[in-house]
This record gives sequence, C-alpha cells and structure tokens, in this order.
Amino acid sequence: DTAVSQTPKYLVTQMGNDKSIKCEQNLGHDTMYWYKQDSKKFLKIMFSYNNKELIINETVPNRFSPKSPDKAHLNLHINSLELGDSAVYFCASSQGAPFYGYTFGSGTRLTVV
Amino acid sequence: AQTVTQSQPEMSVQEAETVTLSCTYDTSESDYYLFWYKQPPSRQMILVIRQEAYKQQNATENRFSVNFQKAAKSFSLKISDSQLGDAAMYFCAYRRLGNTPLVFGKGTRLSVIA
Repeated sequence: DTAVSQTPKYLVTQMGNDKSIKCEQNLGHDTMYWYKQDSKKFLKIMFSYNNKELIINETVPNRFSPKSPDKAHLNLHINSLELGDSAVYFCASSQGAPFYGYTFGSGTRLTVV
Repeated sequence: AQTVTQSQPEMSVQEAETVTLSCTYDTSESDYYLFWYKQPPSRQMILVIRQEAYKQQNATENRFSVNFQKAAKSFSLKISDSQLGDAAMYFCAYRRLGNTPLVFGKGTRLSVIA
C-alpha cells in the first residue's frame, strides 16, 4: 500500500493548457507539501498545508494553486502552463515533529511543449 | 534564511570502498535536524539518515554514518563498503523546529565503479 501516491507520474501537455496533479497520503500525517525539482535537480518548497490550512506559500506564480479538500489530499492545479514549468513535482507529507523528515511521493514529471 | 551547501556536484567511488559526501549549512538556530536523502534514477526520494542537533553522538544506519560538527556547521555522510545500488543523487537537508519545511542542498551525484 503506497504511503504517498501522486498521479499522474508523467504529464506531457502544450503551452497554455491547465493541468492538475493529485496527491494522497495514507499515513495519517497532518502536513503535506509540494516541491519543485528543476532540471538541475534543485528541490524547492512551493506550498505546505497543515490540516487543510495553507501555512507556507513561497514565491510561486499565482498560476499555481494548491487545494487540500482534507488532510489526506493535496492537489496542485496549474493554469496557463509555460515552458519553464517543466520539472518534476514532488508531494510529501510529515508528522508534526521535525525529527521525522518527510515521506515523498514518487514525483510527477511535467513536460510542457 | 537557512542555506545548505553541498560543494561536490559529483563524486565517484570504487565498489567496496568508502566515500564521504560533504554538507555545510548556515543557521542561527541552536536546535534543528539534519537529513541525508538519496534519489536513485527511479526518482524516489529515500531517507538515508537523520541527526538531531542537540545530540553529540553521530548517527549511524548500517553502512551509512555521519560526521556532525555543530560548531563548524558541517554534516558529512560516509558510505562504507560502497555498493552499485548506492549510485544516486544525495541531498543534504536541514529542518528547524516547528512545522517548517525541509531546506535542501543542491545535491551530489555519486557514481559507483565496479
């Protein structure tokens, strides 16, 4: 049973389209995250939700909108996709205590053509 | 803001040998947590080892151990008896107290030579 699952694993789409990535965790964690990994492998935090409440919103274009219908789900919707949005997007979850680090999903490779 | 620096973009090691990956970080906090994550070609992020800053004893997990030097803000990862399956990107990460995000270094790509 996958702990943090993301769908889809691969997404190829044209510039200007709108797309969503879904994430679900069955670990009972309270906090979920979206990270972006660029072509140079650098991982940068985008958003964090704690019990459905947005707690971290880094400098991300407002074309990116996270949605958390409940604490087990955190989806990422992207409007008007641009070439520079091509990256791997990771969902992760954690318990409240920072000692535990994160459990990551397997990532979604988004390619904008 | 906290930063994490991995000064070695690439490293290589012979199978069965030992390799050390470097990591330094910058923080004004006295209590925090440090992590090493492994990302093989499968893309999955896997937790390798973690260290609590208030513990002086270095963490170990089987063939993986760390050298934590708090005053120097250094957190290196030692891999002993390297195996082909250790080939991956390795990321050092920092997390301070509270519900805060992991801050990652830029990673070190480790190759293992048979």
